[in-house]
Order: sequence, then structure tokens, then C-alpha cells
Amino acid sequence: EIVLTQSPGTLSLSPGERATLSCRASQSVSRSYLAWYQQKPGQAPRLLIYSASSRVAGTPDRFSGSGSGTEFTLTISRLEPEDFAVYYCQKYGSSPYTFGQGTKLEIK
Amino acid sequence: EVQLVESGGGLVQPGGSLRLSCAASGFTLSNYDIHWVRQVAGKGLEWLSTITTADDSYYAGSVKGRFIISRENAKNSFYLHMNSLTAGDTAVYYCAAGAVGNFPPGFWGQGTLVTVSS
Repeated sequence: EIVLTQSPGTLSLSPGERATLSCRASQSVSRSYLAWYQQKPGQAPRLLIYSASSRVAGTPDRFSGSGSGTEFTLTISRLEPEDFAVYYCQKYGSSPYTFGQGTKLEIK
Repeated sequence: EVQLVESGGGLVQPGGSLRLSCAASGFTLSNYDIHWVRQVAGKGLEWLSTITTADDSYYAGSVKGRFIISRENAKNSFYLHMNSLTAGDTAVYYCAAGAVGNFPPGFWGQGTLVTVSS
């Protein structure tokens, strides 16, 4: 079973700064079936990125995903106030569809 | 408008059962893999179960043997039957759908709270 470990647990940044979130897998993720979600308090998760680097329609282009194998990164180029939230990575395509434990992006 | 609407959450006693429902509108569920995910208050997301368009079902170890996922394409709905519930199952439960062809869930319900307590 693949375990996803996200780092850091909390990231404190200011609007306009660049955010780099990491997701490390215990084994190689097949076909880069790695997704990123954003979740705000009281809301359901929102899919941002799939296949490690493909943006979902409606995801702002300041969000970008990269990586393959066991190392994946979500980058937010210039933080907007609405970007402060919790971000999760997920491995999909085969069971178990594991989530990482999340990274909280908070305003500094 | 594409929407998933959950129902069936509530208070249940330990050892009890509950059935969650998720109704889709604005898209045809038969073309989507279906997922259930839960979130304990203040904690992260936990994948629970998936049923594919081919009716293959998968479960997390924490619920295998207790929970059953099913779909009813004719009603554009799907379900999570939960048995032998414990306090550890108290959480917000989300239904979600992902397009066939190995896409992650892009459509999510609003979540329904299940509380297991005496």
C-alpha cells in the first residue's frame, strides 16, 4: 500500500509569495496518477490538478503541478488571499486511493 | 448544473447501521467511478470506498467487511451501507464522482455528518 507524506504540515506565507507544497510517495505512483485538492473550512474538497500536472478547467494558472515516480510538487506562483486553505494530494487509478495528510497554507 | 446531493446522515448508536445516499444531477452517473471519502472533525481526508463503472468495488481496510458501496444507475444514485458502526466512524462523509478513464473525483457532494454515539 502506497503511503503519501505531505510536507510541510503548515506553511505560513504572505499574499504575493510563492508556495511550494510537497507530496512524497512510499512507492512509485503508477502513470503519475496523482491529484491535488484544495479544501476550505466547511467546504468539500475541490480538485485542482490531476495526472500530476494537468489543471482542471477553472483552476487558475498560478497553480501548477509537477513530478513523477515518488516525488510530486504543487506550486502556487503568487498567492492570492483565496488560496489560503488546506491542500491534499491523492493517489488514484487503483485501490487504495490514498490521501496525504494535508498541508495547511496559512497567512503569515 | 452538475450536483451531488447526499442524504442519510445523522445520529446512530454504536453497533448500529446507516445508509448514506448520493443523488447526481446534471450528469449521468453510469459514466463515472463513484467514491466515498470521510473526514473526522479537524482531521484529514480518508478514502473509504470506490465502485467503478464496471461494478468493481474496493474498500479501505478500516471499513472492509462493514461497509458496502452500491450504485443504482437507473436512479442516478449511489449508496454507502454502513454496519457495525463505532465512535471512530463519526465523521463528515462525502460522495464524489470521477469520470471513467482513470480520472480522480472531480465532483463532490456537500458532505453529510454521521455521529455514532449512545
